[in-house]
Amino acid sequence: AQKVTQAQTEISVVEKEDVTLDCVYETRDTTYYLFWYKQPPSGELVFLIRRNSFDEQNEISGRYSWNFQKSTSSFNFTITASQVVDSAVYFCALSDPREYGNKLVFGAGTILRVKS
Amino acid sequence: NAGVTQTPKFRVLKTGQSMTLLCAQDMNHEYMYWYRQDPGMGLRLIHYSVGEGTTAKGEVPDGYNVSRLKKQNFLLGLESAAPSQTSVYFCASSYPGVKTEAFFGQGTRLTVV
Repeated sequence: AQKVTQAQTEISVVEKEDVTLDCVYETRDTTYYLFWYKQPPSGELVFLIRRNSFDEQNEISGRYSWNFQKSTSSFNFTITASQVVDSAVYFCALSDPREYGNKLVFGAGTILRVKS
Repeated sequence: NAGVTQTPKFRVLKTGQSMTLLCAQDMNHEYMYWYRQDPGMGLRLIHYSVGEGTTAKGEVPDGYNVSRLKKQNFLLGLESAAPSQTSVYFCASSYPGVKTEAFFGQGTRLTVV
């Protein structure tokens, strides 16, 4: 069975600090997709990134970067120079392309609080 | 472009009452989903649909029913609400193929008293 673990329930940082959100996943498949979503206080879910299991290159988008390591089954998310607007719940999710319907398996989420 | 719209946004039900949550998407997506979000548990899939007229059970389907009579709409029904169904419900839609991400609605906060 697929499983996503986000061991950090809540993280608090001061603005401009760097912060890394951990995501560890379990799957028996060799082909799968990983996602990160952001849920700001307003409640909607915002897609951040998708990564397939064959692409282990790290990704950087502005202050956001993602480190995918297949050897440790991790897909960690780093925010550099955090800002108050980064305060949100962040979800990591896993999708198995062999499962009919593109269903996502979510982690429990990490609450990030950035204080000014 | 509205994306995914959920109706209503908030609702309070008494135990035993029934209700229907409506999800509408205007992106011509084939796949639609209902998730529930509970503290410390992330989002869990209730039911999903891979096309008009089709539905399938997800991880936590008990106590819920769904219908997809039109491609753009996906309805979630609670026949006899229970306090354990107090949650935030999210509808999502996507194209077939895992390369595409799911688009989510704003959520419906349901409280069963």
